[in-house]
Amino acid sequence: QKEVEQNSGPLSVPEGAIASLNCTYSDRGSQSFFWYRQYSGKSPELIMSIYSNGDKEDGRFTAQLNKASQYVSLLIRDSQPSDSATYLCAVNQNFVFGPGTRLSVLP
Amino acid sequence: EAGVAQSPRYKIIEKRQSVAFWCNPISGHATLYWYQQILGQGPKLLIQFQNNGVVDDSQLPKDRFSAERLKGVDSTLKIQPAKLEDSAVYLCGTAGTSGNYEQYFGPGTRLTVT
Repeated sequence: QKEVEQNSGPLSVPEGAIASLNCTYSDRGSQSFFWYRQYSGKSPELIMSIYSNGDKEDGRFTAQLNKASQYVSLLIRDSQPSDSATYLCAVNQNFVFGPGTRLSVLP
Repeated sequence: EAGVAQSPRYKIIEKRQSVAFWCNPISGHATLYWYQQILGQGPKLLIQFQNNGVVDDSQLPKDRFSAERLKGVDSTLKIQPAKLEDSAVYLCGTAGTSGNYEQYFGPGTRLTVT
């Protein structure tokens, strides 16, 4: 069973700080990587996808992929209380999800 | 563009009863997924369809769960008979197949088995 691992948290950061979320995966042949945000009681919503090594930026979010080390991370700059949610990492087109990391941004 | 539609949003049944969930994908999305999400865990893939064919159903408990996707559009997931441990949120997601493989989720169905 291909695995995706995330620190379950909770990860607490002060408002305005950078939140760093990490994800590691076991399938070395993985090609597609996705970050989702899930608020309590809601379904996951796509934040961004990344397919190539390096950084991909979208607004306050930056995804970083390192296939050699088999990890993908998500940075959230200028964190806001509204960013408090569970962040899910998913890998490949069959979307194997990690357990999620709970982020709490403190005002 | 309309999103992924699911119904019902909530369902309460007794153990050993049957239940069915329905999903309508984003127009043009050929790939459809059903997930089970237990509280505090990440979504677990139950079955993946490409058009009306099954790509992966390795984690579907086939003794009680079944799913179909007639005509490659709408899909139905059924549980018969339900067990207490089936209490979860059932998520439907759909994705395109050319270039962009991003998946979008419906609102989910919260199932409680008593």
